[in-house]
Amino acid sequence: GQNIDQPTEMTATEGAIVQINCTYQTSGFNGLFWYQQHAGEAPTFLSYNVLDGLEEKGRFSSFLSRSKGYSYLLLKELQMKDSASYLCAVMDSNYQLIWGAGTKLIIKP
Amino acid sequence: NAGVTQTPKFRILKIGQSMTLQCTQDMNHNYMYWYRQDPGMGLKLIYYSVGAGITDKGEVPNGYNVSRSTTEDFPLRLELAAPSQTSVYFCASSYEGGVAGELFFGEGSRLTVL
Repeated sequence: GQNIDQPTEMTATEGAIVQINCTYQTSGFNGLFWYQQHAGEAPTFLSYNVLDGLEEKGRFSSFLSRSKGYSYLLLKELQMKDSASYLCAVMDSNYQLIWGAGTKLIIKP
Repeated sequence: NAGVTQTPKFRILKIGQSMTLQCTQDMNHNYMYWYRQDPGMGLKLIYYSVGAGITDKGEVPNGYNVSRSTTEDFPLRLELAAPSQTSVYFCASSYEGGVAGELFFGEGSRLTVL
């Protein structure tokens, strides 16, 4: 079966750095996406990785290792507005997105 | 641009009732999707469409139907509502499918079946 694993919840302090991990087992791989979802709102696109390595976009970076079936989202200089759920999704060989359950990130002052 | 608009935002149904969730997008996107999101679980694809007149089943299509008569609209019909259909429903669109397809989501429709 296809599976995406992420921690259920994480807590971090304002101004700090946090790393949210995602491991996956899918039938084929055509890229990995990270989305942000604030409570009661729609998911919004953060990043896309298809090759191994780090993609940096402002305070957010996303890393991919295809051989390990592993990705992480790195958030720097945390702000209170970063409190949200972070969804990892993998595009399989049929170009269908398989979604993780999401990691709820709580930021404390 | 309004983006992806869903209605209604909230609805309570009785078991056995039917209803339609409306979804419209003004970005001229070819691809449209319906997902459901349940607590502690990832988004599950119900139906999708790659263009007007074309629809296909996703992972969890039972109990639902869709149509795509225009590029803009992609309504989701629930027939004979059941408590298992209590969920948050998201409509999404993308200009292309596959790896180029960053998804744009509507605000969601929270449905409760009692």
